[in-house]
Amino acid sequence: QKEVEQNSGPLSVPEGAIASLNCTYSDRGSQSFFWYRQYSGKSPELIMFIYSNGDKEDGRFTAQLNKASQYVSLLIRDSQPSDSATYLCAVTSGNTGKLIFGQGTTLQVKP
Amino acid sequence: DVKVTQSSRYLVKRTGEKVFLECVQDMDHENMFWYRQDPGLGLRLIYFSYDVKMKEKGDIPEGYSVSREKKERFSLILESASTNQTSMYLCASSQGGSQETQYFGPGTRLLVL
Repeated sequence: QKEVEQNSGPLSVPEGAIASLNCTYSDRGSQSFFWYRQYSGKSPELIMFIYSNGDKEDGRFTAQLNKASQYVSLLIRDSQPSDSATYLCAVTSGNTGKLIFGQGTTLQVKP
Repeated sequence: DVKVTQSSRYLVKRTGEKVFLECVQDMDHENMFWYRQDPGLGLRLIYFSYDVKMKEKGDIPEGYSVSREKKERFSLILESASTNQTSMYLCASSQGGSQETQYFGPGTRLLVL
């Protein structure tokens, strides 16, 4: 069973701090990795995707990928209360076009 | 911008009713997906389609069927609704090929009484 594991949290950080969200996956064949944000009662929205080992930055968000360790993370700098949400990690399942989702980490940013 | 729409935001049905959930995408995407999301269970794939009239079972297809007669439209059918099908239903689409990013619709919250 191919799996994506995330700590469910909640992860609580003060406003302005760096939030670090982590994800591990079991399928070494996974090639693409995604982070989605989901506010309570809403649908997931894409934040970032990453394909290559290393870091990818987009504004306050940085995705980090280490395929050897089967680990992907999302850093949120200068966290804001509006970042409070559940963050879903997703990885591709072979060449099927399907994504495997983790159960999500709930982030709380306290003013 | 990719737009995925779902026919209803909230739906209340009775046990045994046949329920249709519709999803439409406007970006000519090849792939379309139906998920359900429940607290503590995360997103679970029900069915997906990679082409018109093509479908594949996901992880939890029992009690559901799907239809894709046109590229932009993917319907989820609950043949005889049961209370354990009360859930949030999410539709998504993706370009296909090497473009695997999935874009989600707003979701339908279904309550079966």
